[in-house]
Amino acid sequence: GAVVSQHPSWVICKSGTSVKIECRSLDFQATTMFWYRQFPKQSLMLMATSNEGSKATYEQGVEKDKFLINHASLTLSTLTVTSAHPEDSSFYICSAPLGGRISPLHFGNGTRLTVT
Amino acid sequence: QQQVKQSPQSLIVQKGGISIINCAYENTAFDYFPWYQQFPGKGPALLIAIRPDVSEKKEGRFTISFNKSAKQFSLHIMDSQPGDSATYFCAASMTGTASKLTFGTGTRLQVTL
Repeated sequence: GAVVSQHPSWVICKSGTSVKIECRSLDFQATTMFWYRQFPKQSLMLMATSNEGSKATYEQGVEKDKFLINHASLTLSTLTVTSAHPEDSSFYICSAPLGGRISPLHFGNGTRLTVT
Repeated sequence: QQQVKQSPQSLIVQKGGISIINCAYENTAFDYFPWYQQFPGKGPALLIAIRPDVSEKKEGRFTISFNKSAKQFSLHIMDSQPGDSATYFCAASMTGTASKLTFGTGTRLQVTL
């Protein structure tokens, strides 16, 4: 069964509004989680590393003020897309290592964001 | 900079045939190489993974072949089935950061009857 749960699975919002996406590790603790973004028929691009108890680490070119990440607990990380625009429409996927920092990465089922 | 190159972009295989997907990497610090399977609208699912201390790893119908000197690795799907139709991604990461993956561009596999 799924080990990483992501919610919502899809969301539609209007330009200028903010959207929060939740990522939960099920039955295990994750001090680190990763947020990826995937455009249609393209590969996954790492956006940021979410660290429990400290600030997220963003990849080059990712606006940290636009994509707010909060690792609220050992089982929950949230990604908030602020002041969303149509170009932010994408598939956002979170992931977590099942058994610790160097363990295989397991992904959630993604969130399809559409900004109108 | 594309650190993991994947080919082919798409692949059509008949049921029962062998599907082969290839990847090449540039960073010699990479030492963990997983393959993920992704169905439309879903997140990627870990299929099989290999570390460079072995040249081959087999799990059921899926086999990874690894060539360290050539910096290449490949996925072989034996007896391909229509249910295998999906997009496959190779990936790579470095020691201590096995979770921070660099993905290939993906291969869309279609297995026909």
